[in-house]
Amino acid sequence: QKEVEQDPGPLSVPEGAIVSLNCTYSNSAFQYFMWYRQYSRKGPELLMYTYSSGNKEDGRFTAQVDKSSKYISLFIRDSQPSDSATYLCAMKAGGFKTIFGAGTRLFVKA
Amino acid sequence: NAGVTQTPKFRILKIGQSMTLQCAQDMNHNYMYWYRQDPGMGLKLIYYSVGAGITDKGEVPNGYNVSRSTTEDFPLRLELAAPSQTSVYFCASSGQGDSPLHFGNGTRLTVT
Repeated sequence: QKEVEQDPGPLSVPEGAIVSLNCTYSNSAFQYFMWYRQYSRKGPELLMYTYSSGNKEDGRFTAQVDKSSKYISLFIRDSQPSDSATYLCAMKAGGFKTIFGAGTRLFVKA
Repeated sequence: NAGVTQTPKFRILKIGQSMTLQCAQDMNHNYMYWYRQDPGMGLKLIYYSVGAGITDKGEVPNGYNVSRSTTEDFPLRLELAAPSQTSVYFCASSGQGDSPLHFGNGTRLTVT
């Protein structure tokens, strides 16, 4: 079983929709949770960085962590064609070792 | 603000050839990393470094070598290229402790 599971998609939504992206994990020691966005032929860029459980909001993006269920989510409100990318979840217990999900490809249609 | 810079962007190698992938960061980060990304497989850690002169193996180190003589640079060496090393390679850096990773834009390598 992988430490981090993420549905690869693709996920296709119309412009303006609310998008929900999710990851599950098995290691209860994970404390730091991240979402990266990766455009085609580019490196991952950090979108959200949260510690422990709860919600964090940044503009149209909301990151949610439920440690009791070992489940994290990224919500994108009012999705735009420019949001079309691969979204990677990532997490770590502490220190330097980061574990990544495989990524979900998102397409937002105009 | 250059961040993490990787060169070259693309490279085609023949089996058995060698090459060095370059990585430089200007954020004064102590931690640096090399990942490979294969379709559907996510990012796999090859090697990492916690400071100049200190390196260690990640999940998939076979066929690769690294060195870290300065804080800024962290080159990745492929000695005898094999088709299994066809991949996209990303260099990343982070500050102390639990800081998130900052990535370069990758080197796309094909071995034929």
